[in-house]
Amino acid sequence: ETGVTQSPTHLIKTRGQQVTLRCSSQSGHNTVSWYQQALGQGPQFIFQYYREEENGRGNFPPRFSGLQFPNYSSELNVNALELDDSALYLCASSYRDPGYEQYFGPGTRLTVT
Amino acid sequence: DQQVKQNSPSLSVQEGRISILNCDYTNSMFDYFLWYKKYPAEGPTFLISISSIKDKNEDGRFTVFLNKSAKHLSLHIVPSQPGDSAVYFCAASAHQFYFGTGTSLTVIP
Repeated sequence: ETGVTQSPTHLIKTRGQQVTLRCSSQSGHNTVSWYQQALGQGPQFIFQYYREEENGRGNFPPRFSGLQFPNYSSELNVNALELDDSALYLCASSYRDPGYEQYFGPGTRLTVT
Repeated sequence: DQQVKQNSPSLSVQEGRISILNCDYTNSMFDYFLWYKKYPAEGPTFLISISSIKDKNEDGRFTVFLNKSAKHLSLHIVPSQPGDSAVYFCAASAHQFYFGTGTSLTVIP
């Protein structure tokens, strides 16, 4: 059984640029959630995708957008990067029903300069 | 507004003793609670969960207690082992997940 994978591991971007982060969900999981974890904080929910549709969104601006593909992999896109977007971005996959347990990837460390 | 709070940033415990990690929440609509463990350079790993209809769930050395009237959740690890040293996050769910800020547990051999 393959776990959740994310790419890239690290990247550095300049303020104002755009970035795409990728996530492959665990085999058989149909739901993907994205989280932002700033230094010293817990993960904060960005949004969730279920069967290629957005299924819930946290308190993040529209410049944070996502996609889920038919194979349940997912992308997180962030436009007009700001310095405060520097964080660890975590992807988690799960079965929407019946369980709530989410399985996290190792994260992508984004630094905005 | 932080709906899930872990007020102790760190905790040190001797090997073999009990570790108690605490978590408080404010939203009475939360219906599911989870604990995750996180090692450096890895994503959080699911540890144990509890539904709001229960007050206790046990899995080996790990027990989670839920006190709904106090809006308080705790994780007990008995006996603590050096490999338990990690950051522990509690999370609560009301359609979406809300995480606490984490408690760094150090188990001293």
